[in-house]
Amino acid sequence: DTGVSQDPRHKITKRGQNVTFRCDPISEHNRLYWYRQTLGQGPEFLTYFQNEAQLEKSRLLSDRFSAERPKGSFSTLEIQRTEQGDSAMYLCASGRGQGANVLTFGAGSRLTVL
Amino acid sequence: DAKTTQPPSMDCAEGRAANLPCNHSTISGNEYVYWYRQIHSQGPQYIIHGLKNNETNEMASLIITEDRKSSTLILPHATLRDTAVYYCIVSATGTASKLTFGTGTRLQVTL
Repeated sequence: DTGVSQDPRHKITKRGQNVTFRCDPISEHNRLYWYRQTLGQGPEFLTYFQNEAQLEKSRLLSDRFSAERPKGSFSTLEIQRTEQGDSAMYLCASGRGQGANVLTFGAGSRLTVL
Repeated sequence: DAKTTQPPSMDCAEGRAANLPCNHSTISGNEYVYWYRQIHSQGPQYIIHGLKNNETNEMASLIITEDRKSSTLILPHATLRDTAVYYCIVSATGTASKLTFGTGTRLQVTL
């Protein structure tokens, strides 16, 4: 069990640029989640994959955000035309099976938009 | 998913038991109580979960009241490494379920 890996850990970008984050879940986990966390707040749900199928997207996920999980393994979260309000920690989590919400979270990717 | 209410902050002396309360008065019959914690600059970490019986594992104990409207997470011998934000979450299981985090309780363990 190598845990959930996220890359990059830190990203500084200028407003209007595109950024992409990658998440490598625990290999036998079929469920994958993306969350966003701002300072002083709890993580906010963004989207959820069961294998390669994206089953739910939050209203927070505007059309500038897109997430993929090709082949049901790693996942990417892309933000187009970044805005200062996108500055946050982006967390990935994975879980096994269809039952309990026992998730393993990665350390997160911190985005700063200047 | 039902909402939860937690105190914003608590203090605990090292070596003492830390008892973190959570109210979830609108919990449904199929919803579990989950506890996660988040140490500074890390992702959340699963601690324990339960439906209606008390649960214990190597990290903590979870006490759920008989009417399931509240619960308490107990860290039996708190250490400085337990300083973190603790989140109480109620969630149903199943393919479409997800965890909805509130703002949690910031536990400060002191010498």
